[in-house]
Amino acid sequence: GQQLNQSPQSMFIQEGEDVSMNCTSSSIFNTWLWYKQDPGEGPVLLIALYKAGELTSNGRLTAQFGITRKDSFLNISASIPSDVGIYFCAGLIQGAQKLVFGQGTRLTINP
Amino acid sequence: GAVVSQHPSWVICKSGTSVKIECRSLDFQATTMFWYRQFPKQSLMLMATSNEGSKATYEQGVEKDKFLINHASLTLSTLTVTSAHPEDSSFYICSARDPGIDTQYFGPGTRLTVL
Repeated sequence: GQQLNQSPQSMFIQEGEDVSMNCTSSSIFNTWLWYKQDPGEGPVLLIALYKAGELTSNGRLTAQFGITRKDSFLNISASIPSDVGIYFCAGLIQGAQKLVFGQGTRLTINP
Repeated sequence: GAVVSQHPSWVICKSGTSVKIECRSLDFQATTMFWYRQFPKQSLMLMATSNEGSKATYEQGVEKDKFLINHASLTLSTLTVTSAHPEDSSFYICSARDPGIDTQYFGPGTRLTVL
């Protein structure tokens, strides 16, 4: 099925570093969602974006809905050990019920 | 944020038995819920869309007679894995769509192991 192109697939960083990941698509989306999944748990919603150009923050996390409506990025500032996990982007096309997912970005932090 | 619960969180069963997994939205009425399956180190794979009061819509390749879905109320959907076999062992996750803000919230998942 359709998927979003999420990159990078994995990141290995030092504690305190900033992190950036993004998702792109050839399709236009009306909603972009960013989730974090810890091992053995379900995804937890981090940020929801509903308008092109929208920039939203949640603590140290910032996400933006691209102007073209075909991309989104998530930034994490000053990473800490609990940021470790897999981050997924997901999008909704207008009129659709089903989410389209990115492949995930696995974040590993070296203390 | 909104809360979606799943029960049980894990289950071990013998081959040939059936297992029922419950998904509840605790903060809002969910006309639509979704059931996903996730294999290790992979993204979520949508199995079916569950609409309250109507039949579920299954994704291509998902056997509707094997994975029975019931969405009898606005806060509860169930997935029954019938005649489970070891290859059905997986992590099953539900989500509920909050129609007011067009966002999906996920449950904590259910780990199914079929011996």
